[in-house]
Amino acid sequence: DAKTTQPTSMDCAEGRAANLPCNHSTISGNEYVYWYRQIHSQGPQYIIHGLKNNETNEMASLIITEDRKSSTLILPHATLRDTAVYYCIVSLDRGSTLGRLYFGRGTQLTVWP
Amino acid sequence: GAGVSQSPSNKVTEKGKDVELRCDPISGHTALYWYRQSLGQGLEFLIYFQGNSAPDKSGLPSDRFSAERTGGSVSTLTIQRTQQEDSAVYLCASSLPKLAGGPPETQYFGPGTRLLVL
Repeated sequence: DAKTTQPTSMDCAEGRAANLPCNHSTISGNEYVYWYRQIHSQGPQYIIHGLKNNETNEMASLIITEDRKSSTLILPHATLRDTAVYYCIVSLDRGSTLGRLYFGRGTQLTVWP
Repeated sequence: GAGVSQSPSNKVTEKGKDVELRCDPISGHTALYWYRQSLGQGLEFLIYFQGNSAPDKSGLPSDRFSAERTGGSVSTLTIQRTQQEDSAVYLCASSLPKLAGGPPETQYFGPGTRLLVL
């Protein structure tokens, strides 16, 4: 049960911002939103995570709506190397020490020159 | 260590044979996870080790699958009597321990082992 909904695929021109949406309408108050990506033939790579506030790091920005039912991952200046499957994950944290993550199908982002 | 390593990179086996897949986590990471990724699919959780606690085996698809973690470091995933549907990429990840009430720690993934059962 991935608890998230993402578009199957998206395209983006190199140098443009890539905005990847994710719906998580059943998210509960203590659950975090995580983003990982998987470049072809590699293991997944952590990008960013957040709880309520918007977050930014050297890779991306995460915008979470006020009701927390959806979020958007923003890659400000997409490059060809950003072509990958992007997974939006809601951590099934309910105060436990269980750190497992549920990966859905993700969004295949293709950046074209 | 430099990162999570897995061996072998690729494994081709015949139906009915047993296989062992190895994972070397990042030094100091007490949490270790195994996932499986079938062609064109997302990641499927298999098993989770955290320190000396009993592992969470809830994701193992059948009793042909087992895993152990010796000395709190290296882990081996064993598949007995392999079937063609076991063909997949088996990914291992490690992380620092998660604190109760806090977010899951970042998981660092290895490159995976590509298993093909003929």
